[in-house]
Amino acid sequence: KNEVEQSPQNLTAQEGEFITINCSYSVGISALHWLQQHPGGGIVSLFMLSSGKKKHGRLIATINIQEKHSSLHITASHPRDSAVYICAARGGGSEKLVFGKGMKLTVNP
Amino acid sequence: DSGVTQTPKHLITATGQRVTLRCSPRSGDLSVYWYQQSLDQGLQFLIHYYNGEERAKGNILERFSAQQFPDLHSELNLSSLELGDSALYFCASSVRMYNEQFFGPGTRLTVL
Repeated sequence: KNEVEQSPQNLTAQEGEFITINCSYSVGISALHWLQQHPGGGIVSLFMLSSGKKKHGRLIATINIQEKHSSLHITASHPRDSAVYICAARGGGSEKLVFGKGMKLTVNP
Repeated sequence: DSGVTQTPKHLITATGQRVTLRCSPRSGDLSVYWYQQSLDQGLQFLIHYYNGEERAKGNILERFSAQQFPDLHSELNLSSLELGDSALYFCASSVRMYNEQFFGPGTRLTVL
C-alpha cells in the first residue's frame, strides 16, 4: 500500500464544474504539497500546507492533520485546468517527499 | 517559468553509457532536489543537497551520484545505464529546507 493515496485516479468534468481531488496519507507529516503536471510534463507547485486551508485564485487546498487527509478544490473549472494533480507528503524532520500516483483531470468545454 | 533550469532537455543514449544531467536553481535558492519520474513508479525522490552538502537520500541507485557545486548548481550522474533508467528527471529548488519547491522543466532520458 502506497503511503500516499489519491482518489479518484481519473476525472472528466464539464467546464464550470466544482472539482474535488482527495489525498490520504498513512504517515505523520510536517507538510503536504499539491503539484500540477501539465501534458507537456512540466510541474508547478500549487500549495504547500501543514494545517488549515489555503486559497489561490480558483484553487483551494485544505488539510486535516488528525484524519490524515487533504483536498484540492477547483472552482469554476476550465479546460486549461486539465492536467495531472499530484499530492506529496513530507515527513516530520525530513526533506523527503513521498508522492501519490496523481489524478488526471480532463475538463471539457 | 519557475526560474529553475535543466539541461539537456532530451537525452538519448545506449545501455551501459554514462550521462550527466545539470540543474541550475533559482537565484538565491540553497536547496536542490532530484526526482525521477517513470511510467511505472511515478515520481520518486532521489537526493537533496543544501548549500553544497548532501542532506537526504531517497531511492537512488548506487550507479547514480550527485553533487552540488559552490555556485549552487547541481549535477546528477547516471552510469552503467539500463533500459529501466529511461524516465523524466526533475530537479527542484527552494530557498532553504522545508520550503515550497520550484521545479525545473525536466530532462527526458531515453536509454536504448
